[in-house]
Amino acid sequence: SQQGEEDPQALSIQEGENATMNCSYKTSINNLQWYRQNSGRGLVHLILIRSNEREKHSGRLRVTLDTSKKSSSLLITASRAADTASYFCASNYQLIWGAGTKLIIKP
Amino acid sequence: DTAVSQTPKYLVTQMGNDKSIKCEQNLGHDTMYWYKQDSKKFLKIMFSYNNKELIINETVPNRFSPKSPDKAHLNLHINSLELGDSAVYFCASSQGIQAGTTAGELFFGEGSRLTVL
Repeated sequence: SQQGEEDPQALSIQEGENATMNCSYKTSINNLQWYRQNSGRGLVHLILIRSNEREKHSGRLRVTLDTSKKSSSLLITASRAADTASYFCASNYQLIWGAGTKLIIKP
Repeated sequence: DTAVSQTPKYLVTQMGNDKSIKCEQNLGHDTMYWYKQDSKKFLKIMFSYNNKELIINETVPNRFSPKSPDKAHLNLHINSLELGDSAVYFCASSQGIQAGTTAGELFFGEGSRLTVL
């Protein structure tokens, strides 16, 4: 398959908890990017991590990259209701995407 | 001001018809894309244009024809629509050539939901 894969497919947590989602890919990459998609909307860029980086932070977001395992994880700390969305990773010059992780934050 | 705008937002049509979706970006980017998101939410690239030149053309039926009159516009024309074409089509733009260099952040439009009856 040419597609990247996010895991889990769906995640439901209480507001205030941390949410972790994972992404695996099959080919070598130059960078990997994470995007958020609110229901019925377009995708919004969250964070980019380059292949020579292992970890990157942006506000409540923390992304890690393990090129030996061809995987990345996105951690959202202190989740909020507004974080409810689907999260996608994109690799290989954004040609390859997964089906996303649907994150639901319960108030 | 909307950065990447695409029209129409919704399109319902009969099988066999021809339809177009238009996209415009006011970000000054040199690269534009069309993506298809199916009912299972898989997102797949269809085409990419850099400075009006086609640089990515994934395995897409010939019924799909992109046109880029200038680097701020990328339209998608679909001939002889089929049931399987029903999906949400996203236009996006970025600065930088897709292949061979680091692709930067993609800016997406809000999507055009195509329903073929």
